[in-house]
Amino acid sequence: EVQLVESGGGLVQPGRSLKLSCAASGFTFSDYAMAWVRQAPKKGLEWVATIIYDGSSTYYRDSVKGRFTISRDNAKSTLYLQMDSLRSEDTATYYCARHGGYNVMDAWGQGASVTVSS
Amino acid sequence: DIQMTQSPASLSASLEEIVTITCQASQDIGNWLAWYQQKPGKSPQLLIYGATSLADGVPSRFSGSRSGTQYSLKISRLQVEDPGIYYCLQGYSAPLTFGSGTKLEIK
Repeated sequence: EVQLVESGGGLVQPGRSLKLSCAASGFTFSDYAMAWVRQAPKKGLEWVATIIYDGSSTYYRDSVKGRFTISRDNAKSTLYLQMDSLRSEDTATYYCARHGGYNVMDAWGQGASVTVSS
Repeated sequence: DIQMTQSPASLSASLEEIVTITCQASQDIGNWLAWYQQKPGKSPQLLIYGATSLADGVPSRFSGSRSGTQYSLKISRLQVEDPGIYYCLQGYSAPLTFGSGTKLEIK
């Protein structure tokens, strides 16, 4: 069974940093591109970043470029999201997700809540 | 960026009724489209990928179709467990973009 378990969420002040982790199991992690998707309270889904299977290429939405870094450790089957210079508009539940066919996300974690507030 | 215009924003239907939700892409995305269901407090669940392929374990009453740049999700006979918010997603090019969501309720 595919499992994605996020951790590292919490309350953080504007301008500070936070690092999310996503532990993957039930599939060969190194075979898949992975993504972070977020959902602000009572809002829709928003793609944040993607990293390809070997970590050699990454993609970001414009609003997080230069502030967020997606990375992975295939030996540990773990995905990361380093979030720096956090803003109130980054407040959301962050989902770790696996890319499947047609580049869409076919498995999701339960989400990690990030609140940016003073 | 590719815009995904989803409609309707909300929908109320009776049990056993046929329900259709649509997404209009702002440009050609081929079959690089998925549909998701999200229930309150839960993560999204994949229903359809490749515009028309049913994801594993999804009931056959769900189906996807494509006409040009318009994509539809059909629920053939609405069941009590189907309420939630439905989203489309284009996987054609970055930034990947979701539709704004359709809230489906039972009448």
